[in-house]
Parts: sequence; C-alpha cells; structure tokens
Amino acid sequence: DAGITQSPRHKVTETGTPVTLRCHQTENHRYMYWYRQDPGHGLRLIHYSYGVKDTDKGEVSDGYSVSRSKTEDFLLTLESATSSQTSVYFCAISESRAGENTEAFFGQGTRLTVV
Amino acid sequence: SQQGEEDPQALSIQEGENATMNCSYKTSINNLQWYRQNSGRGLVHLILIRSNEREKHSGRLRVTLDTSKKSSSLLITASRAADTASYFCAFTGGGNKLTFGTGTQLKVEL
Repeated sequence: DAGITQSPRHKVTETGTPVTLRCHQTENHRYMYWYRQDPGHGLRLIHYSYGVKDTDKGEVSDGYSVSRSKTEDFLLTLESATSSQTSVYFCAISESRAGENTEAFFGQGTRLTVV
Repeated sequence: SQQGEEDPQALSIQEGENATMNCSYKTSINNLQWYRQNSGRGLVHLILIRSNEREKHSGRLRVTLDTSKKSSSLLITASRAADTASYFCAFTGGGNKLTFGTGTQLKVEL
C-alpha cells in the first residue's frame, strides 16, 4: 500500500467550530488532493496542491482552506463547520511523469459529522 | 460543473456476465483513468489510458477512449461476485487537476 494516512478517521464536531483534517504521505509525491464524497455526487475536488505552498481550488472549495508547508503534509481546514460539510473526505496523492499525471493513491478516508 | 458523468448509475448482473460502464467528460484531457471502490474504503487504481490511445487491456478489463466524443467505457468480462463495487472514471486536463465522474455501482450476483 502507498504510504498515505489520514487523521482523524472519524470526527464529530459542532456547527461553527473549526476542524482540521490531516493527510500525510511518505511517497514524496508532488500532487496532493482533497475530495469529499457524498451519495449521488461521486468524488468532488475541494482543493489540490502541486507543490509546497502551491495550491489551487477545486469545484467545491467554498468554506474550505488548505495548507501545504511540507511535501508530506496537506491540511484541510473547515473554518466554521456547517451541517452541509458532513461527508466522507478523501486525500489522494499522485506524481507526474513526462508532463502527465500517473495513478493516484488514496487514503482510507475521514468520516466527518457536523451536528 | 466539470465533473464527469457515468452511466448507468447502478448495474446488476449475474456472475459470468460482462459489465459495461460508460464515462463522459467535457474538457480536453491528458489521460483517463478508472478506479474501483469497495464499500467504505478508499479508491484503488485499475487502469490508465492516454489521450492518444483508443483501447487498452488489463486482465479482464478493457477500456476504450473516444476523444472526439469525449467518452470512455470500461468493460469487465466474466464478472465475479468479488467485482461488486463502485467504479469511477477520472481524468486530468491542463494543470493536473484530477477530476472524477459520478460513479457506477456494480452488483454481481451469484
């Protein structure tokens, strides 16, 4: 298995509180991604990173921020959690060769419930 | 939305039959990939096809890509109960943004 871990694996939090999810990799891959998965929507990209301190928005970035201060860590923060952010969050990593992405490896997911 | 769309959303077949699922996308792509997800788990990469390829095989998997129609299909031959899972296409265009389709839930019954 690729060296990618997410923490925590489960979290219940109250509306309005800040929440940070962590993705840690040991593969030294350049690209890191945060997705949320909801029934009927598949995986939707929140933010991604293409290097240390280099990040960009995905299609559902409102209410989320990210940081990548080291190659191995990609943090996703919900500044003020809302019930609509209840979801399963997946982190993924990938590399780039000859200008195109190779396969992505996924973490096991974080189940977040906002009450 | 730039998210890919897959059909059917759900597919139920008997063991030994073939399963075909389709993916459509809207942007120019560098490559297209297919992933599998068992219930409650992370996704696992199955196969990658480049934009200049039309067909690719891997074991019981066959993928086709038609860039003129912006579509791809995944065929699983001689399906097994263990193939029961959700299947997602994913693609990258410029900027290495990896975008997924909405997924197909496959159930293979004994």
